Amino acid sequence: EPEVTQTPSHQVTQMGQEVILRCVPISNHLYFYWYRQILGQKVEFLVSFYNNEISEKSEIFDDQFSVERPDGSNFTLKIRSTKLEDSAMYFCASSSAGAGTDTQYFGPGTRLTVL
Amino acid sequence: RKEVEQDPGPFNVPEGATVAFNCTYSNSASQSFFWYRQDCRKEPKLLMSVYSSGNEDGRFTAQLNRASQYISLLIRDSKLSDSATYLCVVTVRSQGGKLIFGQGTELSVKP
Repeated sequence: EPEVTQTPSHQVTQMGQEVILRCVPISNHLYFYWYRQILGQKVEFLVSFYNNEISEKSEIFDDQFSVERPDGSNFTLKIRSTKLEDSAMYFCASSSAGAGTDTQYFGPGTRLTVL
Repeated sequence: RKEVEQDPGPFNVPEGATVAFNCTYSNSASQSFFWYRQDCRKEPKLLMSVYSSGNEDGRFTAQLNRASQYISLLIRDSKLSDSATYLCVVTVRSQGGKLIFGQGTELSVKP
């Protein structure tokens, strides 16, 4: 069964450092998403991406964040200068349609720890 | 008011019990409704979509009341393997595919 993969599974970084989280969505999917979940809190939407551009982003997704689809398979989330409060689980998801009715499949997540 | 609000947990039930989860949403333009399941420190996984007429999948029954902006999930004959956090999720018509999550209700099924 096709699945979304994410690397690394755990990333530890120092405050102020840049991190890149990587995702490989399901191959025939066209819509890509990043969500995050701070420990003990709910899953929060960060950004959606379609046709090589951002479709929608949340208030959390400020200038420190960027996304990119550098090739036909990877989808990345970059945090330029990490803060302590960026520590969270980051989930990538993909879907074949983006209307909100189609199932989004989530990757296993990257646990980001900012020290 | 929270966009999606769920019963605070945790729910601790014996095997074989029937358990019901409730969820309300604040945006009347909400378009699609789902229940996801999340195991500890894992990714959310779709349990079932929720349709206006209500729908059933084995031991799981989901109901939607658009007038009351209320969603429910009923689990019958609960199993140990049902222990997880259940997430109520909605999408809004004007907001594309963005999933809006509730905070989740933890279920623990005991032998």
